[in-house]
Amino acid sequence: GDSVTQMEGPVTLSEEAFLTINCTYTATGYPSLFWYVQYPGEGLQLLLKATKADDKGSNKGFEATYRKETTSFHLEKGSVQVSDSAVYFCALTLMRNTPLVFGKGTRLSVIA
Amino acid sequence: DADVTQTPRNRITKTGKRIMLECSQTKGHDRMYWYRQDPGLGLRLIYYSFDVKDINKGEISDGYSVSRQAQAKFSLSLESAIPNQTALYFCATSDSLAGEYNEQFFGPGTRLTVL
Repeated sequence: GDSVTQMEGPVTLSEEAFLTINCTYTATGYPSLFWYVQYPGEGLQLLLKATKADDKGSNKGFEATYRKETTSFHLEKGSVQVSDSAVYFCALTLMRNTPLVFGKGTRLSVIA
Repeated sequence: DADVTQTPRNRITKTGKRIMLECSQTKGHDRMYWYRQDPGLGLRLIYYSFDVKDINKGEISDGYSVSRQAQAKFSLSLESAIPNQTALYFCATSDSLAGEYNEQFFGPGTRLTVL
């Protein structure tokens, strides 16, 4: 079945460091891809999305590019802040009438 | 006011008890979902509903049941709670008319502990 694989955490970085969280997927078609973020004590919220190959999603300094050839959607940020400490989930959906499939999440801790 | 609310936010119960978790939304969305989150396992889908008359099992529906009482309300029940159902439970909604992708909006979660 369709699945999402994320790098295991936790990831600990110093403030202003470069962030990459790897995400690869397996799907029978061409999915839409998402990154969700969960701040401490809160529910998930959409961070960014890409709906077709070579699309780049971006928000709050985060970026991810939909790479069909490598079936990847890696999350990047050039300079992380303490406020970016959260759990990040990669997810996909194949069609509008199917629920999202989530990865296991990657916990990021940013220290000052 | 929050768009997706969950009650209770925290609950401690004993093995064998019946528990109901409630979710309400003011977003006007037609689709609703229940997930559980466990450390190291991410989010797993329990049940989902695409409209009031539609109920579908997710990845881990055994031991759970749901009721879609109205478009805005979706309840999750544990008929006889067991300790391995201790987890963080999330409700989510989405709008089938929103566009080509299925963005979901999450509630704040219910932390359930079964002793």
